[in-house]
Amino acid sequence: AQSVTQLDSHVSVSEGTPVLLRCNYSSSYSPSLFWYVQHPNKGLQLLLKYTSAATLVKGINGFEAEFKKSETSFHLTKPSAHMSDAAEYFCVVSVRFNQAGTALIFGKGTTLSVSS
Amino acid sequence: NAGVTQTPKFQVLKTGQSMTLQCAQDMNHEYMSWYRQDPGMGLRLIHYSVGAGITDQGEVPNGYNVSRSTTEDFPLRLLSAAPSQTSVYFCASSYSRGIFPNSYEQYFGPGTRLTVT
Repeated sequence: AQSVTQLDSHVSVSEGTPVLLRCNYSSSYSPSLFWYVQHPNKGLQLLLKYTSAATLVKGINGFEAEFKKSETSFHLTKPSAHMSDAAEYFCVVSVRFNQAGTALIFGKGTTLSVSS
Repeated sequence: NAGVTQTPKFQVLKTGQSMTLQCAQDMNHEYMSWYRQDPGMGLRLIHYSVGAGITDQGEVPNGYNVSRSTTEDFPLRLLSAAPSQTSVYFCASSYSRGIFPNSYEQYFGPGTRLTVT
């Protein structure tokens, strides 16, 4: 069965310092992986996706993630945090569902706090 | 394009009442789905549809019905609301499932916040 584990429920950083949000996945086949961001009282926005092309994926707002098959990880990073990065982040794996559909399996989320 | 739209944005129901959450997309996406978001649980799939006239259950389908009479619309019905259905509901759509369905980005609506008392 496919699943996603976000290793930290809450991460706190100072503005200008690096961000690391950790995600491990399990999948019986080569997965498609995504990171979504949700700002308070807002919908979900796609940050980046991995679909078996380059293992280092660049997304919006300076975020990137590296797919490491040997470690079954897809950690999200950003070199320098900005106050506007404060939000909840979801690591997501896309799976077949009931042989006909595609479903997104969400991690439980990591809340990123950024202090000045 | 308006993308994925959902109505209403907020709703309060009494236990036992019924209602329909509306979802529409104008991107001609074949694939549509409903998720619920609960604190500490991430999002969980309720129902999905791979095209007009075709629906199927997700992870947490009990208490919800769906139908897909057109490509654009995918309403979610609560037949008899229960407090356990208090949640934020998101509708999503994506391109055709195609050969590599897993790679397609899903576009999310803004959500409906439902409270059942």
